Amino acid sequence: EAEVAQSPRYKITEKSQAVAFWCDPISGHATLYWYRQILGQGPELLVQFQDESVVDDSQLPKDRFSAERLKGVDSTLKIQPAELGDSAMYLCASSLAPSPDTQYFGPGTRLTVL
Amino acid sequence: AQSVTQLGSHVSVSEGALVLLRCNYSSSVPPYLFWYVQYPNQGLQLLLKYTSAATLVKGINGFEAEFKKSETSFHLTKPSAHMSDAAEYFCAVSENKLVFGAGTILRVKS
Repeated sequence: EAEVAQSPRYKITEKSQAVAFWCDPISGHATLYWYRQILGQGPELLVQFQDESVVDDSQLPKDRFSAERLKGVDSTLKIQPAELGDSAMYLCASSLAPSPDTQYFGPGTRLTVL
Repeated sequence: AQSVTQLGSHVSVSEGALVLLRCNYSSSVPPYLFWYVQYPNQGLQLLLKYTSAATLVKGINGFEAEFKKSETSFHLTKPSAHMSDAAEYFCAVSENKLVFGAGTILRVKS
């Protein structure tokens, strides 16, 4: 069964450092999502791509966060500089088409900022 | 605006007992509704999805949910809990994007 791949699974960094997360969606899925999940809460959408284009980044803190999906396949989410409040699970998901199509989630990257 | 409320951040049941996890939603259009399960330090796995085809939706691992428009509810049930069901469960609603509830942690006692 095809899965969404993410790396790294865990990342520890110091505040003010730069971090990057990678996501490879299920093959053929045109829509890709990045979510942030703070401990004890549900995931919140940070950015949505349709192919290589951003269609929703209204909740992305653009002063420090950036996301790209250059060839419309895999994607990178970057934080620079990291802050203590960025400690969270970062989840990538993909779907064949935009919502309400079913989204399939990767295992996530657990970020700890010290 | 769409939103989801999950009643009870923690639910504890005995093995073999009925599981009932509550979800109420708010949506301005006929909703698509989802239940996902998350095990510790893992991503979310889809349990089931409501798309208006049938009000009673059957999912994986013996779970099912019933859509009740009059109550704006989509509660998740399982007749008999297993130890392996211990996890966090998220209800979500989708109009133009997926919006999650805060989650319910299910504990199963032996």
